[in-house]
Amino acid sequence: EAGVTQFPSHSVIEKGQTVTLRCDPISGHDNLYWYRRVMGKEIKFLLHFVKESKQDESGMPNNRFLAERTGGTYSTLKVQPAELEDSGVYFCASSQGQGTYEQYFGPGTRLTVT
Amino acid sequence: GQQLNQSPQSMFIQEGEDVSMNCTSSSIFNTWLWYKQDPGEGPVLLIALYKAGELTSNGRLTAQFGITRKDSFLNISASIPSDVGIYFCARGGIYNQGGKLIFGQGTELSVKP
Repeated sequence: EAGVTQFPSHSVIEKGQTVTLRCDPISGHDNLYWYRRVMGKEIKFLLHFVKESKQDESGMPNNRFLAERTGGTYSTLKVQPAELEDSGVYFCASSQGQGTYEQYFGPGTRLTVT
Repeated sequence: GQQLNQSPQSMFIQEGEDVSMNCTSSSIFNTWLWYKQDPGEGPVLLIALYKAGELTSNGRLTAQFGITRKDSFLNISASIPSDVGIYFCARGGIYNQGGKLIFGQGTELSVKP
C-alpha cells in the first residue's frame, strides 16, 4: 500500500510569488490534514478535510493560504502571495475513519521564500 | 491549554545508553502519541496511548501515559545509531473523536557510535 505522497519535495520561490503544494493521501483515507513546521519549532496544524469538506481550518494563518480537496482525493495548498515567514516544511497526513488520532504523514514539502 | 512542553530539546548520547524524554500539558487529554522524524522524511508513528497509566512498548521503545493525564514519557533502551532523529510527542483532543494533533517542540537525538 502506497503511503502519503507530496509534491514537490522542495520549492524555492521569491516573496510575492505563488506556490501550490500537492498531497495524495493513502487510498481510502477520508481524513486529510495539513501541518507546517517552521525551523526548530513544533509541527503546527493548519487544516483538516473529511472527504472534500473542510472540517477544521482553525490553523490557517491568513487568507493567503487556500486549501482544496476536490473530489475528496488529493489536496492542494496554495500560498498566494508568499511571504518570507511562510518558509518551512509543509506536511500532509491522512487517517482512516472517525475517532482516530493515528495519522500517517507524508515526507513533506520544504518551502523556502526568499 | 494548547501548548505541549517537551524536554529535553536535544540529547547527545553514546551508543548503548538509555534515553528518556517527556512531554507535559497544562490540560488533560485522552490520547498521547509519539512520532519520530528521520532527516528528510515525515514523522512516523511509534506508539499511541489511550488510557491514563497505560504503559506500551514497541521493541526498545517504551511510552507511558501519565496517571494525571497531563504528561507522557518515552524511553529508548540501548540506543543505536539509527535512533538518531527528532522525536515528537503529540496529543489528541479531550474526546476520542479524531481530528487535529497538537505537537511538542521535538527532542533531537544524536547517537555517537
